[in-house]
Amino acid sequence: EVQLQQSGAELVRPGTSVKLSCKVSGDTITAYYMHFVKQRPGQGLEWIGRIDPEDDSTKYAEKFKNKATLTADTSSNTAYLKLSSLTSEDTATYFCTTGGSFAYWGQGTLVTVSS
Amino acid sequence: DIVMTQAPLSVSVTPGESASISCRSSKSLLHSNGITYVYWYLQKPGKSPQLLIYRMSNLASGVPDRFSGSGSETDFTLKISRVEAEDVGIYYCGQLLENPRTFGGGTKLELK
Repeated sequence: EVQLQQSGAELVRPGTSVKLSCKVSGDTITAYYMHFVKQRPGQGLEWIGRIDPEDDSTKYAEKFKNKATLTADTSSNTAYLKLSSLTSEDTATYFCTTGGSFAYWGQGTLVTVSS
Repeated sequence: DIVMTQAPLSVSVTPGESASISCRSSKSLLHSNGITYVYWYLQKPGKSPQLLIYRMSNLASGVPDRFSGSGSETDFTLKISRVEAEDVGIYYCGQLLENPRTFGGGTKLELK
């Protein structure tokens, strides 16, 4: 069974960057696209973008094009989400999800942006 | 972008009764291959979303058959028969037809 293990919670300062990880077990990371989804406290789900670990091609939602960068490392079966120029609006839980139907989800990483 | 609109915002159900949640898309989710790319997820309190229904009407692995999905090209329904305590949470519809993937605002299911 595919499992996604995400990195731990982060407390970061405004204006800085943070890099979150999502490690795949139970299959190779190249089997599916890896997507990332944002959920602000008490809010709904917002798609950030996806990466094809096979060729590192990416697609982003328009509002995240200057905010998020997706990368993948096939040797460690891990995908990464880097968020830059952080503000309070970036305080949220970030999920990775994969499988053709978003069948598999990580446990989420809480990012808190505060001075 | 495809807008997904869910109703109601919340529903309160007596255990053992049924519940229905509606979802409407701003564009047809029926692909030329005959597949309708609407999905349903449940997010239990403090947990990650979990897949319930894929491609409008297919039950995901391990999901009780009390759950069912139906619809047309733009209007979709999730029905939960014989609601149980474990069904409490927020239900989201989502479209995986095109980028950006989008989700409805969510419907909170509570027990009476």
